[in-house]
Amino acid sequence: DAGVIQSPRHEVTEMGQEVTLRCKPISGHDYLFWYRQTMMRGLELLIYFNNNVPIDDSGMPEDRFSAKMPNASFSTLKIQPSEPRDSAVYFCASSSGTEAFFGQGTRLTVV
Amino acid sequence: AQKVTQAQTEISVVEKEDVTLDCVYETRDTTYYLFWYKQPPSGELVFLIRRNSFDEQNEISGRYSWNFQKSTSSFNFTITASQVVDSAVYFCALSDPSGNTGKLIFGQGTTLQVKP
Repeated sequence: DAGVIQSPRHEVTEMGQEVTLRCKPISGHDYLFWYRQTMMRGLELLIYFNNNVPIDDSGMPEDRFSAKMPNASFSTLKIQPSEPRDSAVYFCASSSGTEAFFGQGTRLTVV
Repeated sequence: AQKVTQAQTEISVVEKEDVTLDCVYETRDTTYYLFWYKQPPSGELVFLIRRNSFDEQNEISGRYSWNFQKSTSSFNFTITASQVVDSAVYFCALSDPSGNTGKLIFGQGTTLQVKP
C-alpha cells in the first residue's frame, strides 16, 4: 500500500480564499483523522471519522473549518474563508484501530 | 485531563553517543496506549512503537529501546549509538480513553540533533 496520501503538499493562498485539502487513507482502515501542527500549539486533533461518519469534531477551531468523508477512500478538509492564522501543516492519518499512520502533510500558508 | 510532557525541547549529541528522550504522561484511565513518532526534516510523521498500559516490559528494536514505568508515568525512549540519520523531532503520544488509538494527545516534541 502507498500509505496515506495527501494533496497538495504545499498550498499558498490569499486571505479570504477557500482552501481544500485532500486525503486518501490506507485501504481497509476504518478511522480517519485530521490533525494540525503549529509551532504554538503543536499537534492537535481537529476531527476524526469512523466508517465515513464524523465522530468527534470538537477540535475544529471554528465554523470556517469543515470536513467530509464521502466514501472510504477520500476525505476533504475545507477552510472558507481562510485567514493567516490558519497557516500550519495539516496531517491526515488513518487507522484500523491500532496505531495511526500519517500522511506527509499539507503545508498551508495564508498570506 | 490527559497530558503528555516532553521536558527536553532540544538535545544535541555526537554520533555514536547514546541518548534518552523523556516522556511523562498524565491520565486517570487504567487502560490506555502510549506511542512514539518520529518526524524527520522531510516532515512526515513515522510511527515507531505502541505500548498498552498493561504491558510494562521493555522493548528493544535494533538501536531503539523503550522503558515503560507505570509507577512514574514515564515512557522513555533510548537510542543507542546514535547516527546522523536519527536527527529528527520525536513525539510521545497518549491515546484517548475510548481506546481509539488514532485519537492522540501529543507531547510538544523533542528535537534531536546528532552531529557527525
